[in-house]
Amino acid sequence: GAVVSQHPSWVICKSGTSVKIECRSLDFQATTMFWYRQFPKQSLMLMATSNEGSKATYEQGVEKDKFLINHASLTLSTLTVTSAHPEDSSFYICSARGAGARLGDTQYFGPGTRLTVL
Amino acid sequence: AQTVTQSQPEMSVQEAETVTLSCTYDTSENNYYLFWYKQPPSRQMILVIRQEAYKQQNATENRFSVNFQKAAKSFSLKISDSQLGDTAMYFCAFMKPPHMRFGAGTRLTVKP
Repeated sequence: GAVVSQHPSWVICKSGTSVKIECRSLDFQATTMFWYRQFPKQSLMLMATSNEGSKATYEQGVEKDKFLINHASLTLSTLTVTSAHPEDSSFYICSARGAGARLGDTQYFGPGTRLTVL
Repeated sequence: AQTVTQSQPEMSVQEAETVTLSCTYDTSENNYYLFWYKQPPSRQMILVIRQEAYKQQNATENRFSVNFQKAAKSFSLKISDSQLGDTAMYFCAFMKPPHMRFGAGTRLTVKP
């Protein structure tokens, strides 16, 4: 159990376009999901916390108008990178917070999405 | 704010040997969780082991075990009988729900 999927696994887009990344918890409900960014050979940097049915909470320095997050259901959160530029190229990872006796209070991670902006 | 420190950027171990990865953290909280995640070349983050701070007993998962020293704020990971598939980045993480903070990671290479 505790499987999280992300789609797409990789995407290449032109500068100025928008890209949407989906994160789904496949076998559990997640009231809270998280979006991270990871640069090569670095650790994960939390971008925002997404709560079902409410606005996302962004970390300091993350532009909320550029990285739009929607958590419309207990199993789906989306990250839209608007007007993407080459500096937005990165590896984006989502996680979903498990709960209860089976999953424990743990974050389960998706496989990541590699975004390349030309 | 909580910080997590992994002082070993890179480590290597011979196949079948034992290796210990270090992690220290700084917090004023009393109740929290600690984790070790593995990130192989595929970049999928895989949960290795989890420890609740209120539990004195060290967590174990097959070949993986931790040495949790709450007073010293230390949380090391021991990998026994290392296998080639253990080659990966290992991240130590601290969680005071709901947020998780990661260390910089230790790149472990298991040599045949």
